[in-house]
Amino acid sequence: KAGVTQTPRYLIKTRGQQVTLSCSPISGHRSVSWYQQTPGQGLQFLFEYFSETQRNKGNFPGRFSGRQFSNSRSEMNVSTLELGDSALYLCASRLEAGTGPQHFGDGTRLSIL
Amino acid sequence: DQQVKQNSPSLSVQEGRISILNCDYTNSMFDYFLWYKKYPAEGPTFLISISSIKDKNEDGRFTVFLNKSAKHLSLHIVPSQPGDSAVYFCAASPANQAGTALIFGKGTTLSVSS
Repeated sequence: KAGVTQTPRYLIKTRGQQVTLSCSPISGHRSVSWYQQTPGQGLQFLFEYFSETQRNKGNFPGRFSGRQFSNSRSEMNVSTLELGDSALYLCASRLEAGTGPQHFGDGTRLSIL
Repeated sequence: DQQVKQNSPSLSVQEGRISILNCDYTNSMFDYFLWYKKYPAEGPTFLISISSIKDKNEDGRFTVFLNKSAKHLSLHIVPSQPGDSAVYFCAASPANQAGTALIFGKGTTLSVSS
């Protein structure tokens, strides 16, 4: 059974640019969450989507946004990139509301120059 | 304000012995707890979970214990194997439902020597 797939695995951008990251959940999973991992802050919740609707949002600026498509695939977008946005961005999926743990992809490593 | 704390950044154990990883939480609304394992360059892998209606959950070599009154949970790995060497994250959420974020601890690096 295929796991959560994130593309691309690595990305290098410069300050001020924008970036779009993609996530394909496990087949049949309808809930997708995004997390940011940095050495200083650890894993922090960005947002969760379920049935194409954002259900919750973490404490991140409006430059961070996302969406979910009808096939449950999700994208997150970061605009006006800052040096501090350099991080590992992880996507996690699970079946649906109230059922089981979240399963993570291997992440997209974003580096801002 | 860290709501989930893993106070030991690292733990070293010999192969075959027990590994005990600890986690404390402050939010009394948390009622679903999980442990994840993470190897370098990979995403976290789900290990085991427990809901607040239980005080113990077991899956093979992994057992999670929950002490609600102390707001403390622990992961026991018996017997420990070199392949268990990884970073272990404790996570918690108020309820197991959509829109509920997982709050993670900073992780404990486990090293199992042969």
